[in-house]
Amino acid sequence: ELKVEQNPLFLSMQEGKNYTIYCNYSTTSDRLYWYRQDPGKSLESLFVLLSNGAVKQEGRLMASLDTKARLSTLHITAAVHDLSATYFCAVVETNAGKSTFGDGTTLTVKP
Amino acid sequence: EAGVTQSPTHLIKTRGQQATLRCSPISGHTSVYWYQQALGLGLQFLLWYDEGEERNRGNFPPRFSGRQFPNYSSELNVNALELEDSALYLCASILGGTYGYTFGSGTRLTVV
Repeated sequence: ELKVEQNPLFLSMQEGKNYTIYCNYSTTSDRLYWYRQDPGKSLESLFVLLSNGAVKQEGRLMASLDTKARLSTLHITAAVHDLSATYFCAVVETNAGKSTFGDGTTLTVKP
Repeated sequence: EAGVTQSPTHLIKTRGQQATLRCSPISGHTSVYWYQQALGLGLQFLLWYDEGEERNRGNFPPRFSGRQFPNYSSELNVNALELEDSALYLCASILGGTYGYTFGSGTRLTVV
């Protein structure tokens, strides 16, 4: 059974600081997604990572994938309050037609 | 292009009743996925429908069931509701592997 572990689960940081969220998974996969969820809302797709060494960037967020280490990272640069949300990674089990989600990292950016 | 639509937005039911949740995928998407998100928790995979067939289901009891219609919309039925079924139920569709899921806005089910 595929297991996906995110850490940290809770992250409080000051504006302007940098930090990294980690997503480890237990079996091989060819796809990994990152999502953002605001309180009381649905999930919004941030990044799709398809291959080893893939790196995607959007604004202050950058995601990377190391399939050999079974690790993805979501790096936050110079955080701003608008980035406060819960971030989920999800690993695709291709043949099972489903994704297994991590427990999420709740990010709070303080002024 | 319309996104994934879910109805109703909120649903309040009494323990033991049945709930029906509906989802329409993005036009052209043939697969529908259902996930449960209990309060403060992550997403748990419920069901995957593709081309009208159930392709996979998560670790949920049989009282969670559903179907997919010829127009690819889907229903999730939860029978004999229990208090712990209270959650946000999310439906998603996907165009292909290079894209992430597109999620609907969800149905918040409250069982009292």
